[in-house]
Amino acid sequence: AAGVIQSPRHLIKEKRETATLKCYPIPRHDTVYWYQQGPGQDPQFLISFYEKMQSDKGSIPDRFSAQQFSDYHSELNMSSLELGDSALYFCASSLSGSSYEQYFGPGTRLTVT
Amino acid sequence: GIQVEQSPPDLILQEGANSTLRCNFSDSVNNLQWFHQNPWGQLINLFYIPSGTKQNGRLSATTVATERYSLLYISSSQTTDSGVYFCAVGRYMDTGRRALTFGSGTRLQVQP
Repeated sequence: AAGVIQSPRHLIKEKRETATLKCYPIPRHDTVYWYQQGPGQDPQFLISFYEKMQSDKGSIPDRFSAQQFSDYHSELNMSSLELGDSALYFCASSLSGSSYEQYFGPGTRLTVT
Repeated sequence: GIQVEQSPPDLILQEGANSTLRCNFSDSVNNLQWFHQNPWGQLINLFYIPSGTKQNGRLSATTVATERYSLLYISSSQTTDSGVYFCAVGRYMDTGRRALTFGSGTRLQVQP
């Protein structure tokens, strides 16, 4: 079965640079979520989209923005990167009307040097 | 927001032993999921279990929604079971909030 696809899987950036993470949800899933997991921490919700509209917002820094496109893929844009942004970034997707189960992608490991 | 507490925080087992991991949550939920995070960082879906009991091989889970807790049972543990086990809960509201709140996890180490 198709799973959530994230790219790139690994990314190394320097401080003050920008980064773009991509997420391709499971086909027909209408909701996409982004989570950030710092070293030794649990995943924290950043932002979600339902049918290409922002659905909810968590602890997402103002330096970050995200959107969902017409083909339902989503991108997380991160600017003015800081050392503290080094983390695993997960994308998850779900299908409304069936269950609320979220399916997670393999994650993008971002390292800021 | 919803509070999620997992216990124990750390667990060391000998291969073949059984274990029970617990997740307590502070409010009613309509989504509860158990994940295994492997050493490579991948989050593996184990169970979607907002209520009731499910079994998958050596793993089973029970959620008692009215008492706001869930249990994950691991039987005949293997070294490949090592990693961090997360419980995550969510509550759908008319405003559309569906995000998962994760517990701090149980770090399991299975020794040969």
